[in-house]
Amino acid sequence: NAGVTQTPKFRVLKTGQSMTLLCAQDMNHEYMYWYRQDPGMGLRLIHYSVGEGTTAKGEVPDGYNVSRLKKQNFLLGLESAAPSQTSVYFCASRSWSGKSSGNTIYFGEGSWLTVV
Amino acid sequence: GESVGLHLPTLSVQEGDNSIINCAYSNSASDYFIWYKQESGKGPQFIIDIRSNMDKRQGQRVTVLLNKTVKHLSLQIAATQPGDSAVYFCAEILLQTGANNLFFGTGTRLTVIP
Repeated sequence: NAGVTQTPKFRVLKTGQSMTLLCAQDMNHEYMYWYRQDPGMGLRLIHYSVGEGTTAKGEVPDGYNVSRLKKQNFLLGLESAAPSQTSVYFCASRSWSGKSSGNTIYFGEGSWLTVV
Repeated sequence: GESVGLHLPTLSVQEGDNSIINCAYSNSASDYFIWYKQESGKGPQFIIDIRSNMDKRQGQRVTVLLNKTVKHLSLQIAATQPGDSAVYFCAEILLQTGANNLFFGTGTRLTVIP
């Protein structure tokens, strides 16, 4: 059971370049998330999805786009990378459980992105 | 969650001692609280969670205490080991707000001194 897998793990981009981060989960989770983590700060939500074909903005969505064409995949795109987007990106997923247990969020191992 | 700052709070403990990591949360309506451990270069790992209608929950070597009166959460680690060195952060969940209902604190860096 792989859990949540992110690719690539490391990437260096030049300002203005575009790229896509791929997140894949094999737990049949409905919800998927993209976070960024910067030094001295907690996780900040970029975009999220409550199911296949749906996406929504989080706390810091500007400069990013996402797509959820398949339930198991959640893609994060940078159309024109900026140095301010240098960060560690984490994908996460969880199942819907209402008020019962099972609200645990599972994270990927992270993708280190540097924009020069 | 915790206020965002430029520096992570730090805690250093001797191997074998007990550790207590604290978290102040912001929303009295939060339904769940989760503690995560994040080792260097890795993603956050689930440690333990607690529902808002509980005051205490125990796991293996860890105990979470919830004080709703002062909106405070703590993680106690018994007999701290070098492998416990990591950043620990709490998260609060508001179920009524749907999927976008997770709020993370900044984190505390725990260093275990052998």
